[in-house]
Amino acid sequence: GAGVSQSPSNKVTEKGKDVELRCDPISGHTALYWYRQRLGQGLEFLIYFQGNSAPDKSGLPSDRFSAERTGESVSTLTIQRTQQEDSAVYLCASRHRYYEQYFGPGTRLTVT
Amino acid sequence: AQSVAQPEDQVNVAEGNPLTVKCTYSVSGNPYLFWYVQYPNRGLQFLLKYITGDNLVKGSYGFEAEFNKSQTSFHLKKPSALVSDSALYFCAVRDMGGNNNDMRFGAGTRLTVKP
Repeated sequence: GAGVSQSPSNKVTEKGKDVELRCDPISGHTALYWYRQRLGQGLEFLIYFQGNSAPDKSGLPSDRFSAERTGESVSTLTIQRTQQEDSAVYLCASRHRYYEQYFGPGTRLTVT
Repeated sequence: AQSVAQPEDQVNVAEGNPLTVKCTYSVSGNPYLFWYVQYPNRGLQFLLKYITGDNLVKGSYGFEAEFNKSQTSFHLKKPSALVSDSALYFCAVRDMGGNNNDMRFGAGTRLTVKP
């Protein structure tokens, strides 16, 4: 079946511009996660959605970062006034109940 | 809150030798434990998980991991390494006893298998 998809796959933006990253989870998966991965580094948790519960935003690095998810469908991660340190691969993952996460291919963001 | 540690940034082994990638965890309740692999320029792929039952779990590509509750460890193993196993490996834990049930990942261990 279809996996987690993310768009765009690559995004180059100028410092100070806003960007919006999209994640389409696997159908029926109630949980959705966003992570950031800097080059050669581990995963940095950003935000977690579970059904209709309030999201866990504890990993968002600043108020320039926000994310939305409508129900159990698409999620968007928005970064306002991008900075060079925002350059990274942004990974989305979805999960069904207690099982493992399935990751999308990521969006590579480059801020120039 | 749960946490996971991968004490080795880098593991080097020769092809055909056994490999071990270490992982220890900390949770308040019962852990769900996972291993993922990331090949260059690729997303993370699920390898195996421990939820309950047999402490030795087998996963994809011949990998296995052993849950050790007393040592709070979940080391990844393979009896005979392949050059194609070279990748970045992440251990992850979910705490089923806490108020949240999000996943925490280790920093990753880069495995290099030399021919």
